[in-house]
Amino acid sequence: QQQVKQSPQSLIVQKGGISIINCAYENTAFDYFPWYQQFPGKGPASLIAIRPDVSEKKEGRFTISFNKSAKQFSLHIMDSQPGDSATYFCAASIGNTGTASKLTFGTGTRLQVTL
Amino acid sequence: GAVVSQHPSWVICKSGTSVKIECRSLDFQATTMFWYRQFPKQSLMLMATSNEGSKATYEQGVEKDKFLINHASLTLSTLTVTSAHPEDSSFYICSASGRYGYTFGSGTRLTIV
Repeated sequence: QQQVKQSPQSLIVQKGGISIINCAYENTAFDYFPWYQQFPGKGPASLIAIRPDVSEKKEGRFTISFNKSAKQFSLHIMDSQPGDSATYFCAASIGNTGTASKLTFGTGTRLQVTL
Repeated sequence: GAVVSQHPSWVICKSGTSVKIECRSLDFQATTMFWYRQFPKQSLMLMATSNEGSKATYEQGVEKDKFLINHASLTLSTLTVTSAHPEDSSFYICSASGRYGYTFGSGTRLTIV
């Protein structure tokens, strides 16, 4: 029940295209859903996060869509660029920002944006 | 924004020695610190959670006597890998929880030879 399932495992998108990564969860107590970007040899960097009270959140080229009834959320990267090539992780936790709740991570998606 | 400084970024040490990894929250107080281990092309695996001034809580299967965690202040946490062996070679990442949410360190590549 603590799992977060992420797909696809890898993704190749042409420059300028839309990258879409999906995650699904089981635990309805999760109320914080962040996305992280990780480059090789580096720690994850926070991209964008959403809470269940909204269905969509947009920051620049990154958009999270959230479907509470389906227990799914997805990351859309608009106008994908070669510099977006990285591994993306979704995550979920229980509790508000700044509390001690641990993150449950998805398995990751390796995105490659081609020219 | 929130910054977590993690050092060293990489370290090579001989089998049987101990190595310490340090994480500092530079501009915020980290009430909770999480330590992860990541194998190549895999997700982050939580090793332990520590709250300032308290003993760390280890995940199932993680040897607490081997991976010593100290969180003595709201801005500093350390992970010491004791009597390291080649199988301990991995990428270790800390994450601080504070008013900015979860902020990750840049990771430490540990290689035991």
